Amino acid sequence: GAGVSQSPRYKVTKRGQDVALRCDPISGHVSLYWYRQALGQGPEFLTYFNYEAQQDKSGLPNDRFSAERPEGSISTLTIQRTEQRDSAMYRCASSHTGYEQYFGPGTRLTVT
Amino acid sequence: GNSVTQMEGPVTLSEEAFLTINCTYTATGYPSLFWYVQYPGEGLQLLLKATKADDKGSNKGFEATYRKETTSFHLEKGSVQVSDSAVYFCALTPPYGQNFVFGPGTRLSVLP
Repeated sequence: GAGVSQSPRYKVTKRGQDVALRCDPISGHVSLYWYRQALGQGPEFLTYFNYEAQQDKSGLPNDRFSAERPEGSISTLTIQRTEQRDSAMYRCASSHTGYEQYFGPGTRLTVT
Repeated sequence: GNSVTQMEGPVTLSEEAFLTINCTYTATGYPSLFWYVQYPGEGLQLLLKATKADDKGSNKGFEATYRKETTSFHLEKGSVQVSDSAVYFCALTPPYGQNFVFGPGTRLSVLP
């Protein structure tokens, strides 16, 4: 079956604009995770869901960041009033067991 | 808090050389430990895992042993190939949690 997909793959936006990043997990996977990865660094945990419930959002850097997964499948990560420091690769992963995570290709966000 | 430290790269080896990439962690209790690999132009893939002390994870000729006494999970391979060139990430998830913590990654280049 299809893997984790993310859209858009690349997003360039102006400072102050809102952006919405989409993640479509592997069908049937209960858990969905969002990470941010700066160049040359490992993924940094942002938040995760089991089904539609947001279980942990301790990694969201501030209240401009939010995420939802209303029907327990597709998830959207929204960044309001973007700033240049938000530029990074945003990665989504899904899991059936909570151990093995399957990563999507990521969305490269550039804030100008 | 939980953290993962990896040896800094890049690591450059000749084909058929022995590989060790060091990983140490800080965590309370008994986390689960993972190695993920990112090949050029691709997303992260699980390479191997170990969920309790003294477990050995192995895959594709790579091995790592969960050492509680030294809080380490070093990655080894006896004979590397050019196709092993990639970035390798050590990661943990705490007991009863799903918020993965990744190390910064180690870039491996294998020369023919």
